[in-house]
Amino acid sequence: DTGVSQDPRHKITKRGQNVTFRCDPISEHNRLYWYRQTLGQGPEFLTYFQNEAQLEKSRLLSDRFSAERPKGSFSTLEIQRTEQGDSAMYLCASSPRGLRSGEQFFGPGTRLTVL
Amino acid sequence: AQSVTQPDIHITVSEGASLELRCNYSYGATPYLFWYVQSPGQGLQLLLKYFSGDTLVQGIKGFEAEFKRSQSSFNLRKPSVHWSDAAEYFCAVETGNTGKLIFGQGTTLQVKP
Repeated sequence: DTGVSQDPRHKITKRGQNVTFRCDPISEHNRLYWYRQTLGQGPEFLTYFQNEAQLEKSRLLSDRFSAERPKGSFSTLEIQRTEQGDSAMYLCASSPRGLRSGEQFFGPGTRLTVL
Repeated sequence: AQSVTQPDIHITVSEGASLELRCNYSYGATPYLFWYVQSPGQGLQLLLKYFSGDTLVQGIKGFEAEFKRSQSSFNLRKPSVHWSDAAEYFCAVETGNTGKLIFGQGTTLQVKP
């Protein structure tokens, strides 16, 4: 399967712990996005990478959140000192090169539950 | 500010009936518009997209959508719904040079046998 993959699919953690999620985009895609989706809502943009450069971050991305994409391949999203409000589905998407790149291909998501 | 509104949170239709899901957007420039479907445990799957040209676009699974600039709408339609169409549907607009998407809050479709 050459789609977008995310790991883990589910994560349960206690408040105050740190968690890290991984996203592997489609190999030839240079654009990578992270979104967060809470129950009953549409996905909300968190951050965007073009190759290894993080070019945009949402105000939703507090100082406890950090994302990286070393070498422009896979990406990680880390949440430090998790809070119950961080419980959500974290979605990763990738798309190919282009100013208006069109379709984003989404991974299955990582569901985070903070107890 | 850019935004997408899906007025219907939940819709129930009988199998075989027609379907229309509404989407209204607010965006200053020419919008790139999308409809995605999300089934339980599945990732978002693109149904169709509008960039330019013909305002009636065809997608997968028998879906179509019509872009109406005067009404700032991009409604999704299907002439005959199948039980497997039960899912959550999201309308989205692409914004800026980064291509990030702004999504509506979604419409949950339930199909009655």
